[in-house]
Amino acid sequence: AQSVAQPEDQVNVAEGNPLTVKCTYSVSGNPYLFWYVQYPNRGLQFLLKYITGDNLVKGSYGFEAEFNKSQTSFHLKKPSALVSDSALYFCAVRDLGVGNNDMRFGAGTRLTVKP
Amino acid sequence: GAGVSQSPSNKVTEKGKDVELRCDPISGHTALYWYRQSLGQGLEFLIYFQGNSAPDKSGLPSDRFSAERTGGSVSTLTIQRTQQEDSAVYLCASSSGQGVHEQFFGPGTRLTVL
Repeated sequence: AQSVAQPEDQVNVAEGNPLTVKCTYSVSGNPYLFWYVQYPNRGLQFLLKYITGDNLVKGSYGFEAEFNKSQTSFHLKKPSALVSDSALYFCAVRDLGVGNNDMRFGAGTRLTVKP
Repeated sequence: GAGVSQSPSNKVTEKGKDVELRCDPISGHTALYWYRQSLGQGLEFLIYFQGNSAPDKSGLPSDRFSAERTGGSVSTLTIQRTQQEDSAVYLCASSSGQGVHEQFFGPGTRLTVL
């Protein structure tokens, strides 16, 4: 079955600095990869996805993620962090090789951007 | 509707009682998903529907949990004989299809079992 690992429970960065939130995955076939964000007291919101094509995917709010097949990673990045980016970030994967439709989420990484 | 809605937003119940949680997906979305998010934990997949059928029930934690979807729209998640470990936020999501389509999440139902 597919799985996702987010190795960092917490990431702290200063406003204006670049940020990276790490994600690695395990699938039997080709993956569909997603990033979601959960702001305090709000539901999860879709940020971006990788399906095929260009390994660098651009999404909402200036975020981007790079698909690396050899490292089975899909790290989320932003060149310059904002205090308003502080939230809980989830990586998710759907395994095309399995043929089912459930999506596996990582445990989440709490991003704190300090002014 | 404009988004996925869930009701109630909060539910406090006593151990042993049954509860029903409701999800209204985005109109026209054929796929519907239920997840559970415990405090400080990631999202735990429970079940998904394609139309009214549930091809994958593998995530339901016990036979006290069941879900149905009628008319390809509203879904209810029922927990019988609730236990304290059932306390969590239950999230519903819908998508317009399978595979590449992202999921749109509701605000969740916070269930507290006393």
